[in-house]
Amino acid sequence: EVQLLQSGGGLVPRGGSLRLSCEASGFTFNTFAMSWVRQAPGKGLEWVSAITSSGSYQYYADSVKGRFTISRDNSKNTLFLQMDSLRAEDTAVYFCAKFPRGVIHSFDYWGQGTLVAVSS
Amino acid sequence: EILLTQSPGTLSLSPGDRATLPCRASQSISGNYLAWYQQKPGQAPRLLIYAASNRATGIPDRFSGSGSGTDFSLTISRLEPEDFAVYYCQQYGSASWTFGQGTKVEIK
Repeated sequence: EVQLLQSGGGLVPRGGSLRLSCEASGFTFNTFAMSWVRQAPGKGLEWVSAITSSGSYQYYADSVKGRFTISRDNSKNTLFLQMDSLRAEDTAVYFCAKFPRGVIHSFDYWGQGTLVAVSS
Repeated sequence: EILLTQSPGTLSLSPGDRATLPCRASQSISGNYLAWYQQKPGQAPRLLIYAASNRATGIPDRFSGSGSGTDFSLTISRLEPEDFAVYYCQQYGSASWTFGQGTKVEIK
């Protein structure tokens, strides 16, 4: 069974940093691309970042480029999102999501979500 | 960046009704890489349909997707009580992924 277990959310001051983790199980982690998607309170879904299976390539939404860094540790089956220079508008539930094998056009499994709240 | 428009924002229907949820793209979606997700309060989204018309694993056959180019739709043939939720379309193109703003299907 595919499982994505997230940790690392919380309350952080504006301008602060936070690192999210997503521990994967139930599939061969190092063969799947992964992504982060967020959802502001009461709002829709927004793609944040994606990374290839090897970690060689990373992609970012314009809203987080230069402030967030996606990475992965395939030896520990874990995906990360380092968030720096946080802004009030980064307040959201952050989901990690898995791409299907060999394709990156949709997200077939999601983590439970973790809340990041940026205080002003 | 391709924008996705989901209208109406809310559909009020009864159990047993047929639901058709449209999703329009601001430009043609290459490869018809259009997906649909269901989200219930406090839960993560669940993939229903990928590549416009393919049901994801374990999704009941009352859910179907259709369309191409810029116009897509999700159809629920007969609404079950558990189908009342928010539905999002999502597209992929050129290392960018975007979502529509969602359509809420509520009980009439």
